[in-house]
Amino acid sequence: QKEVEQDPGPLSVPEGAIVSLNCTYSNSAFQYFMWYRQYSRKGPELLMYTYSSGNKEDGRFTAQVDKSSKYISLFIRDSQPSDSATYLCAMSVFGTSYGKLTFGQGTILTVHP
Amino acid sequence: DTAVSQTPKYLVTQMGNDKSIKCEQNLGHDTMYWYKQDSKKFLKIMFSYNNKELIINETVPNRFSPKSPDKAHLNLHINSLELGDSAVYFCASSLRDRETDTQYFGPGTRLTVL
Repeated sequence: QKEVEQDPGPLSVPEGAIVSLNCTYSNSAFQYFMWYRQYSRKGPELLMYTYSSGNKEDGRFTAQVDKSSKYISLFIRDSQPSDSATYLCAMSVFGTSYGKLTFGQGTILTVHP
Repeated sequence: DTAVSQTPKYLVTQMGNDKSIKCEQNLGHDTMYWYKQDSKKFLKIMFSYNNKELIINETVPNRFSPKSPDKAHLNLHINSLELGDSAVYFCASSLRDRETDTQYFGPGTRLTVL
């Protein structure tokens, strides 16, 4: 069993839809939870991070962490064609900038105009 | 300005060959990483160096040998290439003492072993 599980999709939605992306994990020591966006043939870029449980909002993006259920989510409101990418969840014990990041498999998202 | 750069971008080679991938960052970071992304997009850390010192060494065949000549460079040498080594290899860098900063990824090197 992988430490981090993520549905690879693909997920296809119309423009303007609300998108929900999810990951589950098994290691209760994880404290930092991240979402990366990866466009085709590019490197991943950090979209959002949260520390421990709770919600964090940044524009059209909301990240949620439920440590009791070992479940994290990323919501995208008013999705745009430019949001089409692979979304990777990642987790770490010690921080977002050093140490080992453990990634989910990534969910391929396509937003149709 | 390129923050994290990798060369080459594409690498096609025969089984059994030895090849190297180079990575350079101009962000002033002190920690660098190599990740492998397989065909299913699964991204897995291989190595991490902090100030030229190896700090993470995942279960990677010893055919893979990283080398960090200085804080700004981290190279990956692969001996006796196998079909299963085909993947995209990403270099990344970060600043260790900024706990919630990000790891910045390079554009990747797509390795195909024939």
